[in-house]
Amino acid sequence: DAKTTQPTSMDCAEGRAANLPCNHSTISGNEYVYWYRQIHSQGPQYIIHGLKNNETNEMASLIITEDRKSSTLILPHATLRDTAVYYCIVRSAGGTSYGKLTFGQGTILTVHP
Amino acid sequence: NAGVTQTPKFRILKIGQSMTLQCTQDMNHNYMYWYRQDPGMGLKLIYYSVGAGITDKGEVPNGYNVSRSTTEDFPLRLELAAPSQTSVYFCASSYSGQGADEQYFGPGTRLTVT
Repeated sequence: DAKTTQPTSMDCAEGRAANLPCNHSTISGNEYVYWYRQIHSQGPQYIIHGLKNNETNEMASLIITEDRKSSTLILPHATLRDTAVYYCIVRSAGGTSYGKLTFGQGTILTVHP
Repeated sequence: NAGVTQTPKFRILKIGQSMTLQCTQDMNHNYMYWYRQDPGMGLKLIYYSVGAGITDKGEVPNGYNVSRSTTEDFPLRLELAAPSQTSVYFCASSYSGQGADEQYFGPGTRLTVT
């Protein structure tokens, strides 16, 4: 699976949009971009995933560049409860990957009042 | 659905003791996983299973054993606990390991070996 690079930490004001970048320049054509978050040592929580197109769900939006070498997770109206570690993960769609998620160190997002 | 449940939540072991971490899911998922997370680090895969009776090693399997006798349960066994196994252990499950398939995680077991 391709490696990802994320900033170590980011801050955001409550009510504003939080934009979390991720670089995955070695991504291959059949690899998905996944985002998970982990709130204070709880189990990781799935947020969103995408392959080529931008995606939106009730939690967030995922913007993937046309060359697929980077992406941005957008939390449109951040709240204090969104303070967490956010992991950007590239995962193969099949083959011998058996669904393995490779977690890096993620981005610590702190939402301030 | 309860999702993925893990017991116990916390445990302290002495060096050389053994224990089993329990994991159960009620979503009829085929794939199950065990991860460990050391302080300040991301999760690392210990073992995984693609269905009842089938298990395989992940990145860091040494010191652990697993079994998968049913679809629902995937226990993780520590035979001779060592301080290096002090960590938080997460169990996860997914319907398949293919395509766009999310993993659901349990709340974790915090293990300390002294």
